[in-house]
Amino acid sequence: DAGVTQSPTHLIKTRGQQVTLRCSPKSGHDTVSWYQQALGQGPQFIFQYYEEEERQRGNFPDRFSGHQFPNYSSELNVNALLLGDSALYLCASSGKAGWNEKLFFGSGTQLSVL
Amino acid sequence: GESVGLHLPTLSVQEGDNSIINCAYSNSASDYFIWYKQESGKGPQFIIDIRSNMDKRQGQRVTVLLNKTVKHLSLQIAATQPGDSAVYFCAETPSGGKLIFGQGTELSVKP
Repeated sequence: DAGVTQSPTHLIKTRGQQVTLRCSPKSGHDTVSWYQQALGQGPQFIFQYYEEEERQRGNFPDRFSGHQFPNYSSELNVNALLLGDSALYLCASSGKAGWNEKLFFGSGTQLSVL
Repeated sequence: GESVGLHLPTLSVQEGDNSIINCAYSNSASDYFIWYKQESGKGPQFIIDIRSNMDKRQGQRVTVLLNKTVKHLSLQIAATQPGDSAVYFCAETPSGGKLIFGQGTELSVKP
């Protein structure tokens, strides 16, 4: 049983560019959440997708957008990259037991913005 | 942001000793709490959870204690092993809302 998978594992971009990160949830899960984790800090909630719609959103600008596909996989898009966007981006999935209960995390995508 | 702090608190213990990691949560409306373990280069891994109608819950070698009066959560690890070395995060959920992570504590186990 595959857990949460994310791609790519590492990515280097320059300021102003756009990036797309991908996530496949754990088998049987239908809800995907995205988190940003800066070095030395806890993950911060970006947004959550359920039934292909954004259900909740954290305090992130509109440059951060996402999408969920019918197979429950998800993408995170960041436009006009800033140096401060450098972080580990984590995807987490959960099932119908609860939106945020027992989130299962992927290993993340390490994004470096130069 | 809601997760603050650039310098992780560190707890160093001897192999075989018990570890206690503490966490102060922020929202009195939170009704669900989770402890996660994060090893270097990996995503957070679920350890144990507890609902606000409980004050203690036990798992395998781990116990979570919840004190709602002072908004305090703790994780106890019995017979700590080198494989327990990691960063531990507590997280809270205010009534089904987003999961809010605490600062994190780095646990170092000396053999």
